[in-house]
Amino acid sequence: IVMTQSPATLSVSPGQRATLSCRASQTVSSNLLAWYQQKFGQPPRLLIYAGSTRAPSIPARFTGTQSGTEFTLIISTLQSEDVAVYYCQQYSNWPPTFGQGTKLEIK
Amino acid sequence: EVQLVESGGGLVQPGGSLRLSCAASGFTFSNSWMYWVRQAPGKGLLWVSRINGDETSSHYADFVRGRFTISRDKAKNTLSLQMNSLRVDDTAVYFCARGAFESSSPLLDVWGQGTTVIVSS
Repeated sequence: IVMTQSPATLSVSPGQRATLSCRASQTVSSNLLAWYQQKFGQPPRLLIYAGSTRAPSIPARFTGTQSGTEFTLIISTLQSEDVAVYYCQQYSNWPPTFGQGTKLEIK
Repeated sequence: EVQLVESGGGLVQPGGSLRLSCAASGFTFSNSWMYWVRQAPGKGLLWVSRINGDETSSHYADFVRGRFTISRDKAKNTLSLQMNSLRVDDTAVYFCARGAFESSSPLLDVWGQGTTVIVSS
């Protein structure tokens, strides 16, 4: 399954909403879609799994949604610490595949 | 605290070999599938290999199959990746990661800091 993320780069003002998209080339069964956050020089961190379930200790401003083969990560109120690259990953089909990432910047 | 710490990266010539290790702590190592994921400079994430808890099942990405071997040592709580016939395009940061929920589903809930492999003459 090919995962395509958009946009490649997103610039958002602090306190505003950020919307990141991820489209799958075919159906992702049981919403087996995860979102990871990777800050510069750090490993990825699991944010969301099963399409919409926040991982432990992830703030409530991070929300995952799904509509058909389109998945969305919403950061409701952007904070400076949210600057990172965000990756989606499907884990319903083998092999697991990641999107190419969306770089989120502060405007 | 659940922790994964990789080691063993370095500079190697094309055609050479390297062995990566990942020391796990803070969880029951033998219950979890373990993964290697790599990230080339400025690029995204690519799954490399995985192994189940009792070493009876392992899988490889096509681009490393036949060259890389994954293994684990239950007594030492250590995951390894033996990399042979290295190519320039194997240059990447290699992350060790844990499969979540003691499941075979490739959702990765804990990641190490990564170890850098550079293949260059």
